This record gives sequence, C-alpha cells and structure tokens, in this order.
Amino acid sequence: TQLLEQSPQFLSIQEGENLTVYCNSSSVFSSLQWYRQEPGEGPVLLVTVVTGGEVKKLKRLTFQFGDARKDSSLHITAAQTGDTGLYLCAGARFGNEKLTFGTGTRLTIIP
Amino acid sequence: DAGITQSPRHKVTETGTPVTLRCHQTENHRYMYWYRQDPGHGLRLIHYSYGVKDTDKGEVSDGYSVSRSKTEDFLLTLESATSSQTSVYFCAITAAGLNTEAFFGQGTRLTVV
Repeated sequence: TQLLEQSPQFLSIQEGENLTVYCNSSSVFSSLQWYRQEPGEGPVLLVTVVTGGEVKKLKRLTFQFGDARKDSSLHITAAQTGDTGLYLCAGARFGNEKLTFGTGTRLTIIP
Repeated sequence: DAGITQSPRHKVTETGTPVTLRCHQTENHRYMYWYRQDPGHGLRLIHYSYGVKDTDKGEVSDGYSVSRSKTEDFLLTLESATSSQTSVYFCAITAAGLNTEAFFGQGTRLTVV
C-alpha cells in the first residue's frame, strides 16, 4: 500500500472541460508538491503547498492543501491539449527526509 | 535545467547478472534519490542519500544496493537482476530534504530478460 493515493488513475476529457485530481493519505505531511511528467522525461515541479488550507493558483491550475495536511487537490479549468501528461503528487513527512510520490494520474485532453 | 545525468539511458541485461546505474549531479545538492516507475505505482523510492556515505532504504529496497562516495555520484546496483526489476529508474536531487524542489534525471529504461 502506497502512502499517497491519487484518483482517478486515468482521466480522459474534452478540451475546454474542467477537472479535479485528488491526492490522499492517512498520514500528515509537512508539505505536498505536484509534478507533471511528459513521456520520456523526468517529472517537473508545478507547485509546493506548505500550509494547511493553502490554495495556490498557477494560471488555469488551482492547488489546495487540506486543512489536516493529509490531502491535496489539483483543479484544472478549461483544459487544453497541452495539459496532457502524468500528474504526480509528492510529500515529505515531518522529521523525515524521504520524498514520497503518489500513484499518479494520467490525464489525456482530447481536442 | 538542473545538472543531473543518468547513465546508461537504456540497458538490456540477463537474469542473474549484476547491473549498476549511475547518477551524476553538478549542483552540489546534498540529497539524492533513486526511484523506479511502473504503471499504476507512480514513483517508488528505492534508496536515498543525505550525504557522502550516508544512505537509507526506501519502500522497495530489496534486491538493490547503493553507494555514494562523492557528493556528485550516486550509484544504484542490482546485485542479481530479476525480471521484476524491469522498470524505468529515475534519479532525483534536492538541495534539502523538505519543501524543496526535486530535480530529476531523464531516466534509465532497464529490461531484464
């Protein structure tokens, strides 16, 4: 069982629609990060959230850290084909230097 | 782009043979990580290092060992490769362990036949 579970595992939607991806855990994290990975490349950081309840916006992407610091969500408004990719959440627990990744959500935006 | 390179990028090896993957960084970052990526599992931590000669196990460390004799190099060794170790392996570096961005290499695709 992985520490960070993401849902859905796969998501395919039409361009222009909105979507939300979830990252859940039973553990508390000092921070959570979201990465996007393109085929044949390593993941690239999108955002880091560090405060419970924090909301960060990156253009059409909105990231939220749960109040209890156990979960996070990524909301994309008016999805574009360029949003296609594998989205990974990652977290570090207090007093632990290990960076743990979630199971991933593979997003496909259909033109 | 962060200076992190993995070698080799692709490798096919036979069951039972030892294999070593190399991660080299030019950023002088303290923390280095080895992950494997398999469908449905995201990235799973194999081993990580928090300094020269300081390493610790991750969640899937069985069958793997690591060494870090210099800040810039982190080696991952499969003692006796098995088909279950067929995967894409990623090295990552961070300046500090918490709340900081992880930079990744481009990955090594390993096939064990």
